[in-house]
Amino acid sequence: SYELTQSPSVSVSPGQTATITCSGDELGDRYVCWYQQKPGQSPVLVLYQSTRRPSGIPERFSGSSSGNTATLTISGTQDMDDADYYCQTWDRSLVVFGGGTKLTVL
Amino acid sequence: QVQLVQSGAEVKKSGASVKVSCKASGYGFRAFGMHWVRQAPGQRLEWMGWINGDNGNTRYPQKFQGRLTITRDTSASTAYMELSRLRSEDTAVYYCARDGIEPGNGGDAWGQGTLVTVSS
Repeated sequence: SYELTQSPSVSVSPGQTATITCSGDELGDRYVCWYQQKPGQSPVLVLYQSTRRPSGIPERFSGSSSGNTATLTISGTQDMDDADYYCQTWDRSLVVFGGGTKLTVL
Repeated sequence: QVQLVQSGAEVKKSGASVKVSCKASGYGFRAFGMHWVRQAPGQRLEWMGWINGDNGNTRYPQKFQGRLTITRDTSASTAYMELSRLRSEDTAVYYCARDGIEPGNGGDAWGQGTLVTVSS
């Protein structure tokens, strides 16, 4: 079965750029979504179709995808971005989630 | 605005079944699919399956085939997730999430989650 791999944790200082990666076989050829989840809350879609932001998501969230890696970049990270982030793709019409990355803003 | 409201928390015995509902509002129910995703305590998101809001077609990963049934009632704009033969590992928060229309759109709206606790 298809697998997505994420680093368990990333730390960043406020105002700096956070980079969260997701790897999978030929992931650059697939659509990728990214979700933000804060403790006790439901996930929120922050990127879809690898690079597009839903309405209401700040411009500091951006995405890219190439080869075996998809990347979520948060520019000018804020305290409110402290959360878990999950990548997600599709494999033969079945949904696959990555293991999640805990972003700590300190 | 788009809203998905799920039924309340459940406590079940091992071997029993649970049925969770997800009532949609603010959009045309039949035009969108619905995913079900669960999250065990402290664990990752796990996709459970999907239903086509129009024709009721479903997709399940092999892990849940034979034990999971996803249905919908278009007249009530409600999707349902029923999991049978519950075991302790099924203790989790269960979410419904609307599937965006276009390929690659993902889950663009989520329910508030339903905690299902399975005890022996």
